[in-house]
Amino acid sequence: GNSVTQMEGPVTLSEEAFLTINCTYTATGYPSLFWYVQYPGEGLQLLLKATKADDKGSNKGFEATYRKETTSFHLEKGSVQVSDSAVYFCALRFDSNYQLIWGAGTKLIIKP
Amino acid sequence: NAGVMQNPRHLVRRRGQEARLRCSPMKGHSHVYWYRQLPEEGLKFMVYLQKENIIDESGMPKERFSAEFPKEGPSILRIQQVVRGDSAAYFCASWTGSGYGYTFGSGTRLTVV
Repeated sequence: GNSVTQMEGPVTLSEEAFLTINCTYTATGYPSLFWYVQYPGEGLQLLLKATKADDKGSNKGFEATYRKETTSFHLEKGSVQVSDSAVYFCALRFDSNYQLIWGAGTKLIIKP
Repeated sequence: NAGVMQNPRHLVRRRGQEARLRCSPMKGHSHVYWYRQLPEEGLKFMVYLQKENIIDESGMPKERFSAEFPKEGPSILRIQQVVRGDSAAYFCASWTGSGYGYTFGSGTRLTVV
């Protein structure tokens, strides 16, 4: 079946450190890939997306590239801030279906 | 243009009571999804509704859970005879029916005591 696997958290970094949160997927076909962010006590916000292989999604300094050969969509940021502390979810969705299939989420803690 | 509004934000129920969770979608959105998030887990799809229709309820437990999205008013997720295992955050998302962007509400955190 289709699934998303994320690296376990929490991930704890110091401010200005480089961030990578790994996401790999299993899918029969070519889904669109998403990263959502959930700040404490809030709902989920779409952070970025990529709809086909080699696409790069980017927003607020975060980037992720759709790698079909490694079935991955790793989230990166060059210099994290305390305000980036949140839970990050990787998800996939097929155009022919409306459901998002979610990873378990990775909690990110940034220390000043 | 207000976002997706969910209420209440926090709900405490005793075992055996009923829980009603409300979701008002964004203006112009006629598609609503409900997801459940158990502690330390990702979101699990529960049900997908359009106005007056349930499109897909494959993620919803067969008993005690029901959902509706009437022609007028918010979408309601109803949980009868709640048990401790129902304690979770319930998120609603709305969509226009095209494109990629769902808009999520802030969720209702249900605690069953």
